Amino acid sequence: DTGVSQNPRHKITKRGQNVTFRCDPISEHNRLYWYRQTLGQGPEFLTYFQNEAQLEKSRLLSDRFSAERPKGSFSTLEIQRTEQGDSAMYLCASSLGGQPSTDTQYFGPGTRLTVL
Amino acid sequence: GQQVMQIPQYQHVQEGEDFTTYCNSSTTLSNIQWYKQRPGGHPVFLIQLVKSGEVKKQKRLTFQFGEAKKNSSLHITATQTTDVGTYFCAGRHNFNKFYFGSGTKLNVKP
Repeated sequence: DTGVSQNPRHKITKRGQNVTFRCDPISEHNRLYWYRQTLGQGPEFLTYFQNEAQLEKSRLLSDRFSAERPKGSFSTLEIQRTEQGDSAMYLCASSLGGQPSTDTQYFGPGTRLTVL
Repeated sequence: GQQVMQIPQYQHVQEGEDFTTYCNSSTTLSNIQWYKQRPGGHPVFLIQLVKSGEVKKQKRLTFQFGEAKKNSSLHITATQTTDVGTYFCAGRHNFNKFYFGSGTKLNVKP
């Protein structure tokens, strides 16, 4: 149990619908990352937050994707007008930040999205 | 662009044999982390390397960071069936976001 939780664990939706995922990081962790992972590939960076500030967003991310971390604690990832190509495992990770020695990422169990 | 390449993609070994996976970056990394992902699971942190030429050991696992901080390796001595999974490296440039390799899937035959 890494302490990072994600909800829901599975989501099946129809193409064109909007979906929202939630990530609760380990408390006191300042950094929160979102990744997407497809079968046989490594996690692909989407975006990350330092507290409530979104510091970087992948250029691979279209305008249909948005993430928030309003109070610097939990985060949400929304995908609008889902497409079949959005089907993947969406992983959240958190870290303490600060010095590299304390910046270990702890991953949550992920949300598996299937777009029909 | 900034990428981390990882080889091999797959490795099948007999229990007791050694295993090595390699990561390479075209640019200097600030640090590199290694993760293990079991089938159906999520990545679990193994170790972080920061210093040039650093070598760290965890029981049968040996991790190395190249002198130029552009490559890294993970070596497992005398594999066991519990070592089965996919091993990922994640390299970082300027202590910003991580770039994950595509992973090496290890299968160990008993």
